[in-house]
Amino acid sequence: AQSVTQPDIHITVSEGASLELRCNYSYGATPYLFWYVQSPGQGLQLLLKYFSGDTLVQGIKGFEAEFKRSHSSFNLRKPSVHWRDAAEYFCAVGAHGYSTLTFGKGTMLLVSP
Amino acid sequence: ETGVTQTPRHLVMGMTNKKSLKCEQHLGHNAMYWYKQSAKKPLELMFVYSLEERVENNSVPSRFSPECPNSSHLFLHLHTLQPEDSALYLCASSPRDRGGNEQFFGPGTRLTVL
Repeated sequence: AQSVTQPDIHITVSEGASLELRCNYSYGATPYLFWYVQSPGQGLQLLLKYFSGDTLVQGIKGFEAEFKRSHSSFNLRKPSVHWRDAAEYFCAVGAHGYSTLTFGKGTMLLVSP
Repeated sequence: ETGVTQTPRHLVMGMTNKKSLKCEQHLGHNAMYWYKQSAKKPLELMFVYSLEERVENNSVPSRFSPECPNSSHLFLHLHTLQPEDSALYLCASSPRDRGGNEQFFGPGTRLTVL
């Protein structure tokens, strides 16, 4: 069975600084990987996804993520954080042939002025 | 209206009430999901429907009863809930019941059980 670990429960970043959110997964084959963002009181919005091919994936809102098979990681990055990016971020893994996703516990991003 | 919609957005109910949550997707998808999101806990998958057939039930108590009358609509019927069932209930849909397809989420129903 697959699993996802997001080691950081909270992260605080200054506005304009760079951001990296960590995600480690456990799965025996090539996984499908996703990052979602959730603003307070809202559902989850897909930021980006990795299925195959180029290991550096570009998403919406200026986010990118890099798949590193050797590290079993799929870290999310943004070069310059805006106050609007304050939200909770979820990494998820899916398996080929199944519709369900396994989510991490989430990382809450706080942006300081 | 586009995307995945959920009604009501907020619901307060007593433990003896019966209520239903509704989810509707306008994306032409044929798989739909119910999730429970509680504070400080990971997202919990409750039910999966594919082509209107329930394909997954993750040991959810029988006081939660899903219904999928067609590929666009999904309901969660609630009865005799407990206070620990208070949570955000999220509905999602995806294009087909194969892995690799991202799920599209609704805004959720915030449920409070008194």
